[in-house]
Amino acid sequence: NAGVMQNPRHLVRRRGQEARLRCSPVKGHSHVYWYRQLPEEGLKFMVYLQKENIIDESGMPKERFSAEFPKEGPSILRIQQVVRGDSAAYFCASSPPSGQLNTEAFFGQGTRLTVV
Amino acid sequence: RKEVEQDPGPFNVPEGATVAFNCTYSNSASQSFFWYRQDCRKEPKLLMSVYSSGNEDGRFTAQLNRASQYISLLIRDSKLSDSATYLCVVSRGTYNFNKFYFGSGTKLNVKP
Repeated sequence: NAGVMQNPRHLVRRRGQEARLRCSPVKGHSHVYWYRQLPEEGLKFMVYLQKENIIDESGMPKERFSAEFPKEGPSILRIQQVVRGDSAAYFCASSPPSGQLNTEAFFGQGTRLTVV
Repeated sequence: RKEVEQDPGPFNVPEGATVAFNCTYSNSASQSFFWYRQDCRKEPKLLMSVYSSGNEDGRFTAQLNRASQYISLLIRDSKLSDSATYLCVVSRGTYNFNKFYFGSGTKLNVKP
């Protein structure tokens, strides 16, 4: 069983370019979460998606950031016109359908975005 | 008010020491509770779930106090390899909704 797969692991973009981060959840998991982590800081929630639906995007910046989780294929976090402040580690997590207590979130290894 | 609050530390302890972390959560509707561990530049990984009756896994003991809305983690006989950031996590939801709330983490440094 593959865990959460994120790619690329490292991504370098010049200011103004677009960054696309991919996340394939654990097989059978229908919930995907994206988090951002700046150096020496905690995880910041960005968005929570289920297949074809955005459930909670309260942590997403209003501009330049978007996320999707299509019926087929991985979840994508898209950052348009990147700026240096977007440099961070972006982690994706997945969990199975809820209804059970102690359903944990499984994390991918993250994508480290560097904007130069 | 933050959903989950933790002392950021760092806690600097010698090998063999016992160390305890606490965290508090603000929403009494929280249903599930966890401690995750995050090593430097790595992804968070589940250390243990926290059950209402308290639970132990080797040198690690977790406790939950629903009345006071706090969760604790006790590490006995600390090892150098325990050095990491420990994240307190709560979740709540319904059948088709499950959201996780992460504390900012408590950093532990175990020294020889």
